[in-house]
Amino acid sequence: AQKITQTQPGMFVQEKEAVTLDCTYDTSDPSYGLFWYKQPSSGEMIFLIYQGSYDQQNATEGRYSLNFQKARKSANLVISASQLGDSAMYFCAMREGDNQGGKLIFGQGTELSVKP
Amino acid sequence: EPEVTQTPSHQVTQMGQEVILRCVPISNHLYFYWYRQILGQKVEFLVSFYNNEISEKSEIFDDQFSVERPDGSNFTLKIRSTKLEDSAMYFCASSEEAAGREDTQYFGPGTRLTVL
Repeated sequence: AQKITQTQPGMFVQEKEAVTLDCTYDTSDPSYGLFWYKQPSSGEMIFLIYQGSYDQQNATEGRYSLNFQKARKSANLVISASQLGDSAMYFCAMREGDNQGGKLIFGQGTELSVKP
Repeated sequence: EPEVTQTPSHQVTQMGQEVILRCVPISNHLYFYWYRQILGQKVEFLVSFYNNEISEKSEIFDDQFSVERPDGSNFTLKIRSTKLEDSAMYFCASSEEAAGREDTQYFGPGTRLTVL
């Protein structure tokens, strides 16, 4: 079974609108971390936002917020006020367990296109 | 802002040749990782490294692969005898020795390896 599932291969959004990128995860470990990364066409992986499994509040970083629904095992990324520069691949990833230095497990990614 | 650097940005090699991919992690980070991304696919974990030894490795990381921290700043991935299927983007990442958000892995810009 997939540990991280991103069901939207591609998404379109109008500039200045908000968009939600879906991510569901599967783990039996009570402690885990969820991450979102952005990969522009240039190829680098840029860290966006982190949510810990024990965090009581949804994470926010500027225009990025994470809609964390633990019971549903979902960690959707919300980008507010989309900009043309937001066009990129977005990857959801999970680190299981409390161990530092644990590997990241990535989803297949969602390609976001922002229309002017 | 400190960042992970990788050299070269692009490496072309003949099948059967050895390649060494180089990385300079963020200076106060203690955990180091290699991931790869075959074109159009998700990012896959290869190996993690801490305290001068491998912490974890994936099934992909077979005897053809090795990692080394030859000095206080560099972290290398060696592929002894490259195969066509080794063609991919290779990412180095590093993280601090701390729990929670501080365990975020920061990625380098990647080395695109092409095996002919």
